[in-house]
Amino acid sequence: RKEVEQDPGPFNVPEGATVAFNCTYSNSASQSFFWYRQDCRKEPKLLMSVYSSGNEDGRFTAQLNRASQYISLLIRDSKLSDSATYLCVVTYTGGFKTIFGAGTRLFVKA
Amino acid sequence: DTAVSQTPKYLVTQMGNDKSIKCEQNLGHDTMYWYKQDSKKFLKIMFSYNNKELIINETVPNRFSPKSPDKAHLNLHINSLELGDSAVYFCASSQGGVGEQYFGPGTRLTVT
Repeated sequence: RKEVEQDPGPFNVPEGATVAFNCTYSNSASQSFFWYRQDCRKEPKLLMSVYSSGNEDGRFTAQLNRASQYISLLIRDSKLSDSATYLCVVTYTGGFKTIFGAGTRLFVKA
Repeated sequence: DTAVSQTPKYLVTQMGNDKSIKCEQNLGHDTMYWYKQDSKKFLKIMFSYNNKELIINETVPNRFSPKSPDKAHLNLHINSLELGDSAVYFCASSQGGVGEQYFGPGTRLTVT
C-alpha cells in the first residue's frame, strides 16, 4: 500500500464547477499535511496547509480527518487557471521526511 | 531574487559519466531537500539536510552523494550515471521540517 494515495484522475470539469480531491495516508504518526500544486514542467508550489479544524482560502477548502487518515481539497467555481496537478503531501519524522502523493490532474475547460 | 535556484537547468550526458547539480537558497532556511521526479511524474524524496546534517537518506544508491557546505547550499553528485537516473531533480528548502517547502525550478537530467 502506498504511504499517500490520491484519486487517480484526471478530472475534466467545466469552468464554474466544484471539484473535490481525496487523499488517504497510511502512517498514523504523520504530523503535517499540505496540498501543493504543480503546473506542467514546473516546480511544485504550496497551495495550502491542512488542519484538523479545516481551513479555507478563497475558493479552496481543505479538510483533515486524523481518525480516518483522510485529507480533502475542495475547489469551488473552477477557473481555467486551476488546471494543474494537485499533490497531497504528508510529513513525519519531525517533518524531515516528506511523502508526496502521485497527484491528481485537473483540466478545467471553457 | 530567486528563492531557490538550481544549476544546471538541463543536463544531457552519457551513461557512466559523473555529474553534479548545485542548489542554493536565499531564504535563510535551515533545512534542504533533494527530490527525484520520474517519467510517471511521481515525486520522491531522496535526502533531507538540517543545519548541514543529513537527516533522511531514502535508500538512494550510494552513487548519489549529497553535500551541504553550508545551510544555504545543498549539492548532489552522481557517479556512474545510469539510464534509470534520467528524471527531473528538484531541490527544496524549508524552515525546520514541518513548514512550507520552497522548490527550485528543477534540473532535467537525461542519460543516453
